[in-house]
Amino acid sequence: DTAVSQTPKYLVTQMGNDKSIKCEQNLGHDTMYWYKQDSKKFLKIMFSYNNKELIINETVPNRFSPKSPDKAHLNLHINSLELGDSAVYFCASSHHGAGVDTQYFGPGTRLTVL
Amino acid sequence: GENVEQHPSTLSVQEGDSAVIKCTYSDSASNYFPWYKQELGKGPQLIIDIRSNVGEKKDQRIAVTLNKTAKHFSLHITETQPEDSAVYFCAASISQGAQKLVFGQGTRLTINP
Repeated sequence: DTAVSQTPKYLVTQMGNDKSIKCEQNLGHDTMYWYKQDSKKFLKIMFSYNNKELIINETVPNRFSPKSPDKAHLNLHINSLELGDSAVYFCASSHHGAGVDTQYFGPGTRLTVL
Repeated sequence: GENVEQHPSTLSVQEGDSAVIKCTYSDSASNYFPWYKQELGKGPQLIIDIRSNVGEKKDQRIAVTLNKTAKHFSLHITETQPEDSAVYFCAASISQGAQKLVFGQGTRLTINP
């Protein structure tokens, strides 16, 4: 199936731990994104990468570090997890990351910090 | 920066009736306005979009209208069906340079049979 996939789907962890979420797209897109959706369903962009280069960084705490080993993968590493990091994290991709490109979203990773 | 307001936050309609969701935006430079549908446990999916050089766009039961002067745009769903039940998000973006979608707060639409 052609799609944007994320692993894991659910992640439960303790405060202070470090965790990673992986994202892969097989759509041949150049641009990938990470979004955070909070408990009120508000969806906000965190990062955008184009051909492995960071192009958008929305004042996210530096505990969050995206890593793009190639243009098909964009992983999100989170250090020293806090209660407020609990949310659903969505990865997305688009063809060129500009203009009127459609963004295709993954199924999300629900992160719960205890 | 851009700010997008979306109303209502919840909407309940009888099956077969129409549903309208409205959004306003603040940045007059925004010129691309997509609408996404998010079903339970899934990621958002694009259902329709409109560019600022067009006032209205229709795709079967779904239509979007844009008023650039007033800086608002609306989603219209006609002949609603139970499978239309979902959370709908509007968004705005500037079409030049890196695309940065700013989303509205979402509308939970429930279709009552």
